[in-house]
Amino acid sequence: GAGVSQTPSNKVTEKGKYVELRCDPISGHTALYWYRQSLGQGPEFLIYFQGTGAADDSGLPNDRFFAVRPEGSVSTLKIQRTERGDSAVYLCASSLVGQGVGDTQYFGPGTRLTVL
Amino acid sequence: GNSVTQMEGPVTLSEEAFLTINCTYTATGYPSLFWYVQYPGEGLQLLLKATKADDKGSNKGFEATYRKETTSFHLEKGSVQVSDSAVYFCALSADNQGGKLIFGQGTELSVKP
Repeated sequence: GAGVSQTPSNKVTEKGKYVELRCDPISGHTALYWYRQSLGQGPEFLIYFQGTGAADDSGLPNDRFFAVRPEGSVSTLKIQRTERGDSAVYLCASSLVGQGVGDTQYFGPGTRLTVL
Repeated sequence: GNSVTQMEGPVTLSEEAFLTINCTYTATGYPSLFWYVQYPGEGLQLLLKATKADDKGSNKGFEATYRKETTSFHLEKGSVQVSDSAVYFCALSADNQGGKLIFGQGTELSVKP
């Protein structure tokens, strides 16, 4: 079956521009997560959706970052006024329920964002 | 706060050597523990997990035991192959945190023939 997909795979933008990154989770998964991975580091949590609602957005670095999941499936991560420090690989993951102990998260291939 | 610390890499081994990658954690309560692997050019994949103390996770010849007394979850494999070359990430999911993962910094493993 289809796994988690993310588009685009690569995005190059200029400082100050707005970008949108898309995540298509595994069908039927209610939980969706966004992480950011800088070079040589482990992924860092950004935001978690349970259904349509953001259950935990404590990892968003500032108010330039925003994410939505309007129908409880596809999610979009939006970054306004991009900065060079936003350059990273943005990972999306989904899991069946999100709250169970040890619920497995399945990761997408990521979107590599480069801000020039 | 919750955190994960892994041994630094890169780790370079010869084929058939024994592998240990150390992982320790700090967390309140009873977290679940995971090892994820990232092969070159591929996405993160779950390698194994353990959800309670003394549980042993295992997959593809890799093993890790959840040790609450030492807050550790070391990854081991008795005989590595060239195809095991990848970056390995230890992670935890804390109680009542909605399943979000906290990752270590990753350990790069390179296995030479």
